[in-house]
Amino acid sequence: QKEVEQNSGPLSVPEGAIASLNCTYSDRGSQSFFWYRQYSGKSPELIMSIYSNGDKEDGRFTAQLNKASQYVSLLIRDSQPSDSATYLCAVIRAGGTSYGKLTFGQGTILTVHP
Amino acid sequence: ETGVTQSPTHLIKTRGQQVTLRCSSQSGHNTVSWYQQALGQGPQFIFQYYREEENGRGNFPPRFSGLQFPNYSSELNVNALELDDSALYLCASSLKVGSGQAIYGYTFGSGTRLTVV
Repeated sequence: QKEVEQNSGPLSVPEGAIASLNCTYSDRGSQSFFWYRQYSGKSPELIMSIYSNGDKEDGRFTAQLNKASQYVSLLIRDSQPSDSATYLCAVIRAGGTSYGKLTFGQGTILTVHP
Repeated sequence: ETGVTQSPTHLIKTRGQQVTLRCSSQSGHNTVSWYQQALGQGPQFIFQYYREEENGRGNFPPRFSGLQFPNYSSELNVNALELDDSALYLCASSLKVGSGQAIYGYTFGSGTRLTVV
């Protein structure tokens, strides 16, 4: 079982729709959760972080965390063509030599078509 | 406030050669982590440096080594390059406080694209 798994893509949505990206993680010691956006050939850019159960909203983005289910998601409302990118889910666990290490999922490619 | 800068942006090496990649951390940050991202995959953790010492390592062989300097900049060295080492190498800086038990502000550089032929 992979430490962080994302829903298989690619995901294609029409402009203005809601894009839903999902991620599960295996390590119950994970304490911090991140969504990164990565355009082709570029480095990852942090778009959302979440640390406690529930929803966190920032503009068109909403992150949802459920630690009991070991599940984190990202909703993008009113999707725009400029949102087309690879979205990476990443987690950090507490303690030990792995502390501060980001563990990434394989990424989900999102395409928003006009 | 400067961001994380990496050099070079691209390079091509021959199998068996050695390579050094460089990273300047963001102002105020004291920790540098290195990641390898193969095409179509998520970044994989190589190692982290804090207070000029390796502070955690992923599943990478010893031919991957690093340094952190007093100004918190860092180098990644890879010896005996293999074709599978072709990837985007990412450096990320962050701030550890409180005996290293809290970490803030993970910021990635733009990466170095390494091609091994």
